[in-house]
Amino acid sequence: DQQVKQNSPSLSVQEGRISILNCDYTNSMFDYFLWYKKYPAEGPTFLISISSIKDKNEDGRFTVFLNKSAKHLSLHIVPSQPGDSAVYFCAASKTGANSKLTFGKGITLSVRP
Amino acid sequence: KAGVTQTPRYLIKTRGQQVTLSCSPISGHRSVSWYQQTPGQGLQFLFEYFSETQRNKGNFPGRFSGRQFSNSRSEMNVSTLELGDSALYLCASSSSTFLTRGKGGEQFFGPGTRLTVL
Repeated sequence: DQQVKQNSPSLSVQEGRISILNCDYTNSMFDYFLWYKKYPAEGPTFLISISSIKDKNEDGRFTVFLNKSAKHLSLHIVPSQPGDSAVYFCAASKTGANSKLTFGKGITLSVRP
Repeated sequence: KAGVTQTPRYLIKTRGQQVTLSCSPISGHRSVSWYQQTPGQGLQFLFEYFSETQRNKGNFPGRFSGRQFSNSRSEMNVSTLELGDSALYLCASSSSTFLTRGKGGEQFFGPGTRLTVL
């Protein structure tokens, strides 16, 4: 039962354009969402997060949007740079006991120079 | 400050054997979580240890076990290896546990141990 879904396995965009990475979740109890970036041969690194009490969080070129009614979140990268090419994981958790992180399967972003 | 280290980085085992992986968290971090990454399933949570106690467990069989020492270093053991156990095993450390911080962020991951089961 995949509670966090990243339905597109890959995305390719031109340098300087916007990258939009999508993520859907099924568990309405999730109240905290995160994005991680992973380069080959390295562990994931935390990128940005958002609490369910917000619908937008921005950090430099990265913005995460949350639509609770649609159980959907997205990561926008503007402008995209070749160094952004990596695998991006969406993750979710819920407050309280056993609030482990549940990850999606990841999406591979390629930014073309 | 040194990051999360995992040893060994690569491991090749045969079916039926057992394996022990090691993780040293960032200095001062008391929470260590383990994840399995496979191409088909993404990152899946195995378990979390905090102050030498298992605080959280994912949906993995009992062949997967772990422990944490008083210096916060953690080991993960897999017994009776199966071909499907081939994966990248990631360790993440944090200064707090899910229970106390109420959310799953602020985890710092190590580079992982690539386990291949033949």
